[in-house]
Amino acid sequence: AQTVTQSQPEMSVQEAETVTLSCTYDTSESDYYLFWYKQPPSRQMILVIRQEAYKQQNATENRFSVNFQKAAKSFSLKISDSQLGDAAMYFCAYRSGASGTYKYIFGTGTRLKVLA
Amino acid sequence: ETGVTQTPRHLVMGMTNKKSLKCEQHLGHNAMYWYKQSAKKPLELMFVYNFKEQTENNSVPSRFSPECPNSSHLFLHLHTLQPEDSALYLCASSPRGGLAGSWNEQFFGPGTRLTVL
Repeated sequence: AQTVTQSQPEMSVQEAETVTLSCTYDTSESDYYLFWYKQPPSRQMILVIRQEAYKQQNATENRFSVNFQKAAKSFSLKISDSQLGDAAMYFCAYRSGASGTYKYIFGTGTRLKVLA
Repeated sequence: ETGVTQTPRHLVMGMTNKKSLKCEQHLGHNAMYWYKQSAKKPLELMFVYNFKEQTENNSVPSRFSPECPNSSHLFLHLHTLQPEDSALYLCASSPRGGLAGSWNEQFFGPGTRLTVL
């Protein structure tokens, strides 16, 4: 069975600085998708960034980028130029690429605090 | 409305009450999900439906009864709940897995904050 591990329950970053959130996963599959979701306090969970396992190039979305290390089964999220609005719970998630699969595996989350 | 909507947003109920949570998605997805999110606990998958068929029941107590009349609507019927069932209940939807060119990401609703007295 697949598992997703986020080893940092809480992280802090100074405004305008860079922070990296860690995520590791375990799977025997070769085709899968990885996601980072953001859940601000009392607000809706939204997708931050996504990565297909077969793509070697790391995904980037504006100030958000990932470091995808397939062999090491690592999928970390880097937030550059941190802003107060980045404060939230961040969840790493895995989904199998097999046809007909619908289950997502989530990590336990990392709470990010942004200090002014 | 767009995306995934959930009603009500807040619900307070006694242990003997019967209530229902509603979820609706306007994204044309065929898979819908119920999750339970408790403080300081991981996101717990409860149920998964694909084209109205239940594909996953994560050992959820029978006091939670899901219903999926079509691929756009999902309900969670609640009866004789316990105080430990108090949590944020999230609904999500996604396209069919394995679609070429599809990102297969989940879209979440805002959640229903449930308090059981």
